[in-house]
Amino acid sequence: DAGVIQSPRHEVTEMGQEVTLRCKPISGHDYLFWYRQTMMRGLELLIYFNNNVPIDDSGMPEDRFSAKMPNASFSTLKIQPSEPRDSAVYFCASSLGLVGDRQEAFFGQGTRLTVV
Amino acid sequence: AQKITQTQPGMFVQEKEAVTLDCTYDTSDQSYGLFWYKQPSSGEMIFLIYQGSYDEQNATEGRYSLNFQKARKSANLVISASQLGDSAMYFCAMRPNQGAQKLVFGQGTRLTINP
Repeated sequence: DAGVIQSPRHEVTEMGQEVTLRCKPISGHDYLFWYRQTMMRGLELLIYFNNNVPIDDSGMPEDRFSAKMPNASFSTLKIQPSEPRDSAVYFCASSLGLVGDRQEAFFGQGTRLTVV
Repeated sequence: AQKITQTQPGMFVQEKEAVTLDCTYDTSDQSYGLFWYKQPSSGEMIFLIYQGSYDEQNATEGRYSLNFQKARKSANLVISASQLGDSAMYFCAMRPNQGAQKLVFGQGTRLTINP
């Protein structure tokens, strides 16, 4: 398997524009996590899905953020409208459920978002 | 609610020395997993080691070992014979085994290995 694939790797956009980040999890994984990493706040969990269903979106900063997982092989994180404070690295990770044995999360390479 | 605390923002160690990175956690779950990840300057997140809450022995993976003290709710990472390539950010994380399996990370520790 190619691992978790995120696109784009880098995104520069102007304030007010819509931004869509994409993620393809590892085939067969039933958990998908979206994280945001900044110097000030570290690695924050934004939302996670189990079997394509959002389980906990309490980390989504505000209504400008939305995430979807229309099928087991694709998820999006959308920011509309974007603001400079949204600048960060956004990671997607996937895993199997943690039953019995370890099931570590595998991370994508991240999307570095810059909002100017 | 789960919470992970890493109290050492930065650590500086001489090459070939052992280093311990601290991690304490708070949870009401009875069964859970603890993870350590490494993030080098290139940015990717690399899984290092896992400890299950019911595991009686401390986990080991090569030069990495996890000093698990359940009663104290601590899961410290020990790196033996440190190498220059160990310089990176290190994150401790926790995930419950049942129910909502939320994976939560600590703030991280930046480790610098000096030659």
